[in-house]
Amino acid sequence: GAVVSQHPSWVICKSGTSVKIECRSLDFQATTMFWYRQFPKQSLMLMATSNEGSKATYEQGVEKDKFLINHASLTLSTLTVTSAHPEDSSFYICSARDPLSKDGYTFGSGTRLTVV
Amino acid sequence: DAKTTQPPSMDCAEGRAANLPCNHSTISGNEYVYWYRQIHSQGPQYIIHGLKNNETNEMASLIITEDRKSSTLILPHATLRDTAVYYCIVRVEAGTALIFGKGTTLSVSS
Repeated sequence: GAVVSQHPSWVICKSGTSVKIECRSLDFQATTMFWYRQFPKQSLMLMATSNEGSKATYEQGVEKDKFLINHASLTLSTLTVTSAHPEDSSFYICSARDPLSKDGYTFGSGTRLTVV
Repeated sequence: DAKTTQPPSMDCAEGRAANLPCNHSTISGNEYVYWYRQIHSQGPQYIIHGLKNNETNEMASLIITEDRKSSTLILPHATLRDTAVYYCIVRVEAGTALIFGKGTTLSVSS
């Protein structure tokens, strides 16, 4: 089946630095991608929807200047956590709309971000 | 999308059937019932979905009540690898974002 490659799978960064997470659709074109955040023992929370070639749509309460999303090509979407702080430590997951999959979506494997 | 209610946790013995319930009393006629699971520190995995008929695939069976207000996901022979959080989501089939509730944590033990 289709694959969404998410990289890195885990990252540790210092407080105040920025971290970029990439999601690539390997064998299909993803015009729409979704970004989620998941804190320990909680459910996935939708952060934003990104459409190729246009600005991302952020959910209420998500700071667009802190979580920069770029979807410049049909196979790549990136999430940059700027000026990271310990409270940004979380599990970040991307999902791409995949019309050929059984449910219409393919998920990445997630990125564990730890800010120290 | 309609709201769903699931028990927070369930236990199951290895080899037995795991029956995970989901209530979706406000479901609309054009909304499907989807099930996903998330094994610890991985992305969600699609399991099965249905509209009103019961469905079965290689992973599980989905039983939807006649009034469509509730459903049950059945893992016929649970294994330790089925330990995960199971999410029931009700939505129309179009490709907007999936909204996850709290899900049910299924613990399978030997």
